[in-house]
Amino acid sequence: EVQLVESGGGLVQPGGSLRLSCAASGFTFSSYWMSWVRQAPGKGLEWVANIKQDGSEKYYVDSVKGRFTISRDNAKNSLYLQMNSLRAEDTAVYYCASGGKIQPTPRYWGQGTLVTVSS
Amino acid sequence: QSALTQPASVSGSPGQSITISCTGTSSDVGSYNLVSWYQQHPGKAPKLMIYEVSKRPSGVSNRFSGSKSGNTASLTISGLQAEDEADYYCCSYAGSSTLVVFGGGTKLTVL
Repeated sequence: EVQLVESGGGLVQPGGSLRLSCAASGFTFSSYWMSWVRQAPGKGLEWVANIKQDGSEKYYVDSVKGRFTISRDNAKNSLYLQMNSLRAEDTAVYYCASGGKIQPTPRYWGQGTLVTVSS
Repeated sequence: QSALTQPASVSGSPGQSITISCTGTSSDVGSYNLVSWYQQHPGKAPKLMIYEVSKRPSGVSNRFSGSKSGNTASLTISGLQAEDEADYYCCSYAGSSTLVVFGGGTKLTVL
């Protein structure tokens, strides 16, 4: 059974940093695209970032480029999102999701971790 | 990186069928057979219902089906049940720059 467990969320002040982690199990992590998707309170889903199987390709939504960095450690079956220069509009539940082998659209999702940016 | 367009809400009675549309452009929905649909109940994580336009993951009811014509994808739910009441999101691959784009979501109400 595919399991994705996010951690690292919490309350942070504007301008601060946070690192999210996602522990994967139940599938061959190194064979799949991985994603971060967020959902602001009461709003829809927003794709944030994707990373290819070997980490050689990374993609970001425009609003986080230069501030967020996606990475993965295939030896640890883990996905990460380093978030710097956080803004109030980054407040959301952040979901880790696994994609396909060829294409990156999300398939399996974690339960999410809440990030609140507020003073 | 524009979102795909979905109706804000749809409704239907138990046993009826409904269709949710998802309109994109020739750069995303129209160019790739990589449209997915997700169901999300309040306070829960999204669940994959359809992938690659019309494929159903194991365990998803065959009451859910997907299709695509041009730049518009559709999700049809037949034999509506109370537990189908949820938010539904479409998603498409959008090429090597934007990569992934979501629709704004559709709230399904089962009357």
